Amino acid sequence: ETGVTQSPTHLIKTRGQQVTLRCSSQSGHNTVSWYQQALGQGPQFIFQYYREEENGRGNFPPRFSGLQFPNYSSELNVNALELDDSALYLCASSTTGNYGYTFGSGTRLTVV
Amino acid sequence: KQEVTQIPAALSVPEGENLVLNCSFTDSAIYNLQWFRQDPGKGLTSLLLIQSSQREQTSGRLNASLDKSSGRSTLYIAASQPGDSATYLCAVRDDYKLSFGAGTTVTVRA
Repeated sequence: ETGVTQSPTHLIKTRGQQVTLRCSSQSGHNTVSWYQQALGQGPQFIFQYYREEENGRGNFPPRFSGLQFPNYSSELNVNALELDDSALYLCASSTTGNYGYTFGSGTRLTVV
Repeated sequence: KQEVTQIPAALSVPEGENLVLNCSFTDSAIYNLQWFRQDPGKGLTSLLLIQSSQREQTSGRLNASLDKSSGRSTLYIAASQPGDSATYLCAVRDDYKLSFGAGTTVTVRA
C-alpha cells in the first residue's frame, strides 16, 4: 500500500508568480485535502476534493485553487504569489466515512 | 468556529519519564480526533485515531483519551525515549475538515 506522495519537496518562487503543487493520494482513498502550515503553527485547511469536485473550503482567497483527477491525484494552484504564502503545504487523503487522514511529507514553498 | 488549543506549547523531560500532552476543543460536535507526530520540516505521521463514540485508544507506549462532552483529549506517552522528540499535534474532524492545535514540542533528554 503506497502512502501519500507530494512533489516537489522544495520550491522557491518570486512574488507575483504562479505555482502548482502535486499530490498522489494513498491507494484506496477517494478524498484529498490541502493544508497550509506556517512556521510554528498548526496546519490550516485550504480545501477538500471528492469525486473531482471541491466539497469544502477554508478561509483562503480564490487565487488558491485545485483539481482532483479521476485517479484521485490532485493539484494545488496558487496565483499571484505573496510573501505570506511561504509555508509548508500538506496534502492529505482519506476515504468516505469516519476514518483518519494520511498526510504526505509536504512541499516547502518559499516566496521571495 | 472550532478552536483547538494544546498545552503546554513545549515540554522538556529526562529519558524514561512519562509524557502527558493536553488538547482542548470548543465544539463537541466532532466525528473523531486524531493525534499526529511531526518531525522538523516534515509531514504528519498519524499516531492514534479516536472516534467520537470511543473513550480511549492505545498503541504500544501511546494512549489517548477523549472526553467529548468536556472538549478534551490527552495523549500519554509512557517511558519516553530521545526518539520521541518531536512536535505532537491534535486535530478534530468535523464535516469535511480537520482543525488543528498549534502543537506541543517535546524534547526528551538522554
